[in-house]
Amino acid sequence: GAGVSQSPRYKVTKRGQDVALRCDPISGHVSLYWYRQALGQGPEFLTYFNYEAQQDKSGLPNDRFSAERPEGSISTLTIQRTEQRDSAMYRCASSLMSGGTEETQYFGPGTRLLVL
Amino acid sequence: AQTVTQSQPEMSVQEAETVTLSCTYDTSESDYYLFWYKQPPSRQMILVIRQEAYKQQNATENRFSVNFQKAAKSFSLKISDSQLGDAAMYFCALNLDSSYKLIFGSGTRLLVRP
Repeated sequence: GAGVSQSPRYKVTKRGQDVALRCDPISGHVSLYWYRQALGQGPEFLTYFNYEAQQDKSGLPNDRFSAERPEGSISTLTIQRTEQRDSAMYRCASSLMSGGTEETQYFGPGTRLLVL
Repeated sequence: AQTVTQSQPEMSVQEAETVTLSCTYDTSESDYYLFWYKQPPSRQMILVIRQEAYKQQNATENRFSVNFQKAAKSFSLKISDSQLGDAAMYFCALNLDSSYKLIFGSGTRLLVRP
């Protein structure tokens, strides 16, 4: 597709369950980012990939959160043993490359996660 | 630490009028990029406009323009001839050339009155 796609768009889960959120970046984009956006706030950085390498995971809140991008394209953000405080919009973005003039990040529609 | 501040939680404008959304930021670095993103009720995140810090000329995109004051660390967005479809949350964001993280402000909700 022409833009960043994410699935599922909505996810309702029970506390304690694991969830996997998928991101398919714009074709040819080297860099991929995950952000989390609480209601009424701006997105906050979680992690960043350059090709398949996870270059920075400093924004992941704890070890229940992990992400991978094994072939340098599609990425999965996994949350284990979900808690109610994990409820938020999870956004994926991609850019042609990191740094320089092609660093503009284009966002997907997000996955809204609700943990009951 | 880098911060982005949007001091206007909500703004209102009459259709066809002009409105300016404010954004200030703080960084000790000299090379960076600034962005305005629009988040309509659908909660998509849409790029509106970007500005490179090394460029003195203010960026423009059709009805959208910025007033970039580097010394004052100010980056405001002007929307001319406001349309009903402009109603949305607007986020200002900073991206350092030495980094890749976007640092967002808390957003300004724009209401457009018909």
